[in-house]
Amino acid sequence: SQKIEQNSEALNIQEGKTATLTCNYTNYSPAYLQWYRQDPGRGPVFLLLIRENEKEKRKERLKVTFDTTLKQSLFHITASQPADSATYLCALSNSGYALNFGKGTSLLVTP
Amino acid sequence: GAGVSQTPSNKVTEKGKYVELRCDPISGHTALYWYRQSLGQGPEFLIYFQGTGAADDSGLPNDRFFAVRPEGSVSTLKIQRTERGDSAVYLCASSSGLAGLTDTQYFGPGTRLTVL
Repeated sequence: SQKIEQNSEALNIQEGKTATLTCNYTNYSPAYLQWYRQDPGRGPVFLLLIRENEKEKRKERLKVTFDTTLKQSLFHITASQPADSATYLCALSNSGYALNFGKGTSLLVTP
Repeated sequence: GAGVSQTPSNKVTEKGKYVELRCDPISGHTALYWYRQSLGQGPEFLIYFQGTGAADDSGLPNDRFFAVRPEGSVSTLKIQRTERGDSAVYLCASSSGLAGLTDTQYFGPGTRLTVL
């Protein structure tokens, strides 16, 4: 069956450090993968999209890698800040427009 | 401009009742999506509209769930004979329809449905 797995345990890091979140998938052949941020009581907010032919993508303090051989994406936040505390969701689609989401990983950045 | 809005923000109903959840997409967005998110889970796809028609309804769990978008803008998700298991946050998203599969989906705040 198709699965998208993200670290189920919350990630606690100190301000200024780099946070690294993992997304692993099975039985998908996605053309692209997306990362979203979700704050409590709010809908997900799109952060980054990376295509299957891109190894790495950056946006300000965010960096995403995509390894289609390992079937894994890593999401990095450098110089993390308390305002980065949220749940981060990985999403992908085999084809079509419907997104399949992982359960998300909760990140807590402490001062 | 205004983002995606959803009403009501909260809905409490009794088992067996009928509910309607409304989504107002970003103006001009041709694509509209409904997802359902249970506590501790990621959003789960329900249905996707392109214009007025449902292009993909493969995520609707059963025939108690139905969605419409009669004029290609506002959409209503309808749930008949609600069950306690339907309790979740129902999220709506819209996208421009211009970038194909990589269209960015913009989510609303969701409607929290509680079935007693």
